[in-house]
Amino acid sequence: KQEVTQIPAALSVPEGENLVLNCSFTDSAIYNLQWFRQDPGKGLTSLLLIQSSQREQTSGRLNASLDKSSGRSTLYIAASQPGDSATYLCARRGNKLTFGGGTRVLVKP
Amino acid sequence: GAGVSQSPRYKVAKRGQDVALRCDPISGHVSLFWYQQALGQGPEFLTYFQNEAQLDKSGLPSDRFFAERPEGSVSTLKIQRTQQEDSAVYLCASSFKKAGRVNQPQHFGDGTRLSIL
Repeated sequence: KQEVTQIPAALSVPEGENLVLNCSFTDSAIYNLQWFRQDPGKGLTSLLLIQSSQREQTSGRLNASLDKSSGRSTLYIAASQPGDSATYLCARRGNKLTFGGGTRVLVKP
Repeated sequence: GAGVSQSPRYKVAKRGQDVALRCDPISGHVSLFWYQQALGQGPEFLTYFQNEAQLDKSGLPSDRFFAERPEGSVSTLKIQRTQQEDSAVYLCASSFKKAGRVNQPQHFGDGTRLSIL
């Protein structure tokens, strides 16, 4: 049923290490791909939106790439900080959002 | 407030009871979405409104789930005869323009955590 998959489900890294989060999708005819952050007990905060015609988007330490041919998107977080600890979700955007299961990230000081 | 507001934040109910969850979208937002998020999972789409019209309810898991937005602003998600598998966080999101338009972000509330005993 799940059309969007995120691996790994959980990731723990020491502070300062770069983070690489993966998202794969089965439907190559996507509209846009969006990355969100979710803190415990909170809603979702949008991080980056990649339109289907684009290959990447950057915001500060965050960079997201999109490869439609392979059905993958990758979120890179440079020089991770403890404040980056959260769950990261990717979603395919159409009339509704179709989410992956998320990757829970822990950045250890 | 400036964001999407959901109430209550937490709801505990006994199996078989009916519950109602409320969403106050950002003022002026045309589109409103409900999602269900089980523990450790990503959110799953339930239903979508454009103003007062419910345009997509394909994600509602059963006829026990009902959503309305009678005046095109506040929305209520009702679950009848609750079951334990209904336990989840229910997220509401709103956006300014019609869904599907490029670069129309959905703004999420903090959700209602529903626990069915």
